[in-house]
Amino acid sequence: KQEVTQIPAALSVPEGENLVLNCSFTDSAIYNLQWFRQDPGKGLTSLLLIQSSQREQTSGRLNASLDKSSGRSTLYIAASQPGDSATYLCAVNQGGTGGFKTIFGAGTRLFVKA
Amino acid sequence: NAGVTQTPKFQVLKTGQSMTLQCAQDMNHNSMYWYRQDPGMGLRLIYYSASEGTTDKGEVPNGYNVSRLNKREFSLRLESAAPSQTSVYFCASIRGRTGELFFGEGSRLTVL
Repeated sequence: KQEVTQIPAALSVPEGENLVLNCSFTDSAIYNLQWFRQDPGKGLTSLLLIQSSQREQTSGRLNASLDKSSGRSTLYIAASQPGDSATYLCAVNQGGTGGFKTIFGAGTRLFVKA
Repeated sequence: NAGVTQTPKFQVLKTGQSMTLQCAQDMNHNSMYWYRQDPGMGLRLIYYSASEGTTDKGEVPNGYNVSRLNKREFSLRLESAAPSQTSVYFCASIRGRTGELFFGEGSRLTVL
């Protein structure tokens, strides 16, 4: 059974710091991995999607890497800003008959201090 | 682009009342999902529909029913609401080619 773990559960950093959020999964047979951002009281916004054949994806100050063999993904945020404060969720997608099955991590709550 | 639209955004029910959460997507996706999100429990799959005309149970289906009305719409019904169903409900659809998930803004339900 696929399990997705995110470490740390919470993180507080000063503005401007570079930071790394970690996601690990137990079954390497994945279709893709997706990182989301969730602001309090809001829905999930997709940040980056990495297909199983890819090693990394970049969008602006965000870079996500994927190492399927070790069951790990990292989300790197450069030059953090107070507006980056949110919960970041990692989701692993496994394909199969009947459609995709997505397993979510519990999230990392990030607070960036001005 | 509207993406995934959920209604209502907020609802308060009394125990035993029924209601339906509506979800529609305009991205021509085949697969749609209903999740609930609770503090400390993360996102849990209630039901999903891999394609129009099919529905399947997820991790926590008890107390819910679903209808895939057409390719665009996937509704979630609570027949007799219970306080344990107080939660935030999210509808999502998936782009089949890439497996990318898209979420609605959520429906916040309180059952008294």
